[in-house]
Amino acid sequence: DIQMTQSPSTLSASVGDRVTITCRASQSIHSWLAWHQQKPGRAPELLIYKASSLESGVPSRFSGSESGTEFTLTISSLQPDDFATYYCQQYDTYPWTFGQGTRVEIK
Amino acid sequence: QLQLQESGPGLVKSSETLSVMCTVSGDSISSSNYNWDWIRQPPGRGPEWIGSLYYDGSTHYNPSLKSRATTSRDTSKNQFSLTLSSVTAADTAVYYCARVHRTSSGWVPFDYWGQGTLVTVSS
Repeated sequence: DIQMTQSPSTLSASVGDRVTITCRASQSIHSWLAWHQQKPGRAPELLIYKASSLESGVPSRFSGSESGTEFTLTISSLQPDDFATYYCQQYDTYPWTFGQGTRVEIK
Repeated sequence: QLQLQESGPGLVKSSETLSVMCTVSGDSISSSNYNWDWIRQPPGRGPEWIGSLYYDGSTHYNPSLKSRATTSRDTSKNQFSLTLSSVTAADTAVYYCARVHRTSSGWVPFDYWGQGTLVTVSS
């Protein structure tokens, strides 16, 4: 299975901060990487697919990038609604796998 | 607007079979534009992909489930289902159904999710 390793596990930040979350794949996944946001008691929601494509309706403060097997989710200016857990997920090879998650909390 | 709605038993006894249903409204599960997947999330942990049902009825499963998972569909009711046999406490989780959009430029995974249904396995 392809292992997805996220860092950090927890991130403390303030409203207005620029936030970066990193996800590393154990092998090449050819840009087939998605980012999902999950709030407590809710289903995850797709933010970004194909490493950098913004899902319809997602605010433009969210962006994704890639460098080899390392992928980054950036929130340009953190908003109160953004405090949540974020998961990366590869869909290059079955079984599709998720990272362990990054919790973004209020500083 | 597409909606997915899971329904499940809530509580299942250890060694028995778990069954969860997903009812889709707003699009056809037979459309070649989509796959229909199952994902689960144990309490306090990250999601785990269970398997995928393709538009043509073919399936793919996570080998970690050791052939215990089966997905099927009822196209007349626009529903698909998951059964998981020989359950243990490790199968306690929120079970989600979700859509995968097959586009000309590649797949978009899990663009729509159900709200999830908690299934607890008791001894």
